[in-house]
Amino acid sequence: EAGVVQSPRYKIIEKKQPVAFWCNPISGHNTLYWYRQNLGQGPELLIRYENEEAVDDSQLPKDRFSAERLKGVDSTLKIQPAELGDSAVYLCASSSEPIWTAENTGELFFGEGSRLTVL
Amino acid sequence: GQNIDQPTEMTATEGAIVQINCTYQTSGFNGLFWYQQHAGEAPTFLSYNVLDGLEEKGRFSSFLSRSKGYSYLLLKELQMKDSASYLCAVRGSYYGGSQGNLIFGKGTKLSVKP
Repeated sequence: EAGVVQSPRYKIIEKKQPVAFWCNPISGHNTLYWYRQNLGQGPELLIRYENEEAVDDSQLPKDRFSAERLKGVDSTLKIQPAELGDSAVYLCASSSEPIWTAENTGELFFGEGSRLTVL
Repeated sequence: GQNIDQPTEMTATEGAIVQINCTYQTSGFNGLFWYQQHAGEAPTFLSYNVLDGLEEKGRFSSFLSRSKGYSYLLLKELQMKDSASYLCAVRGSYYGGSQGNLIFGKGTKLSVKP
């Protein structure tokens, strides 16, 4: 079974430029997460989707960040314009059950991440 | 709010036992999780505790005390490949501020020496 696929793996851009990251979750996983991980830190949640609905975007900096999951499968995270402080690894994760169900064990399956460097 | 504390770094010797502690404060509690993350790779799930006590899974065990807001991950018979960061994560209640999302600690970087 294929895991969570992300692209690009690495991206280097100058500040004020736009950037987009793509994620394809594990087949059948309806819950999708975008996390940001700074060097030496744990992942921080940016947004969570249940199917195509963004059910928690409270930590997403909405002035420059946007995300979409139009058909409830693939998702795209965009930053426009990028700032120096956005340099981080952007991790996508998926899980098979919604958070509020008893079947949800909290196991997230992460992609390898997209490492962004803003110069 | 949520607060998770774990040591920044630890060093241990191959073949030994190491215990990585995690303390947490959360509004509501719905599980504690440990993830392993090798440098440059994605986090991978290790364990899940929702009730007090010890959960054993091969060389790895995880303990939870909800009354103390405390957990530890125990790694036995350490191998060089266990050198990684170990992330403690807490899930609050769905109706609390975290909406049931996993909140991660900063991670403990474990170095296993020969």
